[in-house]
Amino acid sequence: KQEVTQIPAALSVPEGENLVLNCSFTDSAIYNLQWFRQDPGKGLTSLLLIQSSQREQTSGRLNASLDKSSGRSTLYIAASQPGDSATYLCAVDDYKLSFGAGTTVTVRA
Amino acid sequence: DTAVSQTPKYLVTQMGNDKSIKCEQNLGHDTMYWYKQDSKKFLKIMFSYNNKELIINETVPNRFSPKSPDKAHLNLHINSLELGDSAVYFCASSQFGSSGANVLTFGAGSRLTVL
Repeated sequence: KQEVTQIPAALSVPEGENLVLNCSFTDSAIYNLQWFRQDPGKGLTSLLLIQSSQREQTSGRLNASLDKSSGRSTLYIAASQPGDSATYLCAVDDYKLSFGAGTTVTVRA
Repeated sequence: DTAVSQTPKYLVTQMGNDKSIKCEQNLGHDTMYWYKQDSKKFLKIMFSYNNKELIINETVPNRFSPKSPDKAHLNLHINSLELGDSAVYFCASSQFGSSGANVLTFGAGSRLTVL
């Protein structure tokens, strides 16, 4: 059974600092790994998808890496802004999406 | 213009009642999903349908019955509601089932409160 863990559970940083969010998973037989953002009371927004054959994906200030052999992914957010405050969820797809519990990020102005 | 729309957004009801949540997607996707997010914010898949056919049915009580009249709709009917059913239910859709490039689009969620 796939288990996805996200550390830390919460993170508070001053504006401008880089963010590093970690995700680990137990079964490396995956199709892809996805990072989502969830704002309070809202649905999930897809940020990045890394296919199992890829090592990283980038979109603007976001960069996500994937190390399948060690069961780890890291999401980097450069030069954080207050608008980046949200919960970030990692999910692995191994025939179904299994989610971590998320990291709640607060960026202080 | 909403890609995945769910109704109602909020639902408050008494234990023992039967209720439905509707979901529609206008993305032309083949696969639709229901997820449950509990009070601890953990998201768990409940069901997945591909072209109106059930492909994933996680260990969900049979009081929950999904219905897909066509590939653009996936409704969730819940019988004999219990307190533990209180949660936010998310509908989602994707172009494919599980694959390398399967990006999910989520609805805004339906918050169910059972009293």
